[in-house]
Amino acid sequence: GEDVEQSLFLSVREGDSSVINCTYTDSSSTYLYWYKQEPGAGLQLLTYIFSNMDMKQDQRLTVLLNKKDKHLSLRIADTQTGDSAIYFCAYGGSQGNLIFGKGTKLSVKP
Amino acid sequence: KAGVTQTPRYLIKTRGQQVTLSCSPISGHRSVSWYQQTPGQGLQFLFEYFSETQRNKGNFPGRFSGRQFSNSRSEMNVSTLELGDSALYLCASSLVSGIGNEQFFGPGTRLTVL
Repeated sequence: GEDVEQSLFLSVREGDSSVINCTYTDSSSTYLYWYKQEPGAGLQLLTYIFSNMDMKQDQRLTVLLNKKDKHLSLRIADTQTGDSAIYFCAYGGSQGNLIFGKGTKLSVKP
Repeated sequence: KAGVTQTPRYLIKTRGQQVTLSCSPISGHRSVSWYQQTPGQGLQFLFEYFSETQRNKGNFPGRFSGRQFSNSRSEMNVSTLELGDSALYLCASSLVSGIGNEQFFGPGTRLTVL
């Protein structure tokens, strides 16, 4: 079936790098996504990567894709307290919907 | 350009009642998808509407239904509410239907069923 696994929690110190990982079961989706959800808010698309790419860099964000191992990661450089949120990995499912992981709660300590 | 808006933001209902949630997509977007978010199950796809037609449907009972109007605004209805329907209901709009189209999410409607 279609599934995405993520670790539930990550705690880092301000200024450090954060790396959030996810693995997915099967995807013919052209894109894989990272969304951010702050408390009381909806989902904000952070970045996405084409399935034929290995890496994408977007300012402080770096996405790495290992298609063979079905592993996706999001690296946030110089993590700030404002980056504290829940981060969701997602890909396009067979029904045209998005399949989401359960989310990784990132806590940034000053 | 205004983002996706959802009304109401918060709702409290009792078991057995029904509820209607509304979503206005970004201007020019014709696809609206609905998701349910709960702590236990995470984000689950309910259905997608495109050009007033339901394109795709997730694995939810028939108590969950929706529709889309000619201006692309969408409503979602839940009948005979159960305690387990308490959740954050998110809608997302995209320009067209299909995998790979960037989806923009609204802030959600928090439904509490007592």
